[in-house]
Amino acid sequence: NAGVMQNPRHLVRRRGQEARLRCSPMKGHSHVYWYRQLPEEGLKFMVYLQKENIIDESGMPKERFSAEFPKEGPSILRIQQVVRGDSAAYFCASSRDVGETQYFGPGTRLLVL
Amino acid sequence: AQSVSQHNHHVILSEAASLELGCNYSYGGTVNLFWYVQYPGQHLQLLLKYFSGDPLVKGIKGFEAEFIKSKFSFNLRKPSVQWSDTAEYFCAVNGGDKIIFGKGTRLHILP
Repeated sequence: NAGVMQNPRHLVRRRGQEARLRCSPMKGHSHVYWYRQLPEEGLKFMVYLQKENIIDESGMPKERFSAEFPKEGPSILRIQQVVRGDSAAYFCASSRDVGETQYFGPGTRLLVL
Repeated sequence: AQSVSQHNHHVILSEAASLELGCNYSYGGTVNLFWYVQYPGQHLQLLLKYFSGDPLVKGIKGFEAEFIKSKFSFNLRKPSVQWSDTAEYFCAVNGGDKIIFGKGTRLHILP
């Protein structure tokens, strides 16, 4: 039973480029959550999605960040025109239903040069 | 506003010492409480959780936590730590769809 999968595990981008982070939830899970961990900080909620729907994006920066969870395929967190402050670890979690235990993936560590 | 506060940012203990990591939360409604652990180079793993029932929760690897509603606390304990417990520990509260995390406690166990 594969857990939550994320790729790539490490991503290096130059300022102004785009970053695409992928997350495949656990089998049977249709709820996906993205969190960001800045250095010396805890994880901060970004967005919660169900298949084809954004349910709660209260933690997403208003510009340059977007997320999707299409009917087929992984959830994608997209960061356009990256800046150095976007450097962080981005974690995806999934759950069977809202309010149930969230299981986390290994994270993608984004470094913006 | 919902928040989670972890009392110590860094803790250093010798093997066999007893451990207690403090966690307090602020949330107005019914909460689910968690402790997650992140071993060096690995991803977050669920250590234990409290949803309802017995406020003393037992988790993996000999860890336990006690939910004290009157104190809004969910402290993590282990009677005798091992070198392999070196990791970062996150207390978290789930109120609704999102999890609110504390800033984490880095635990170093000296062999």
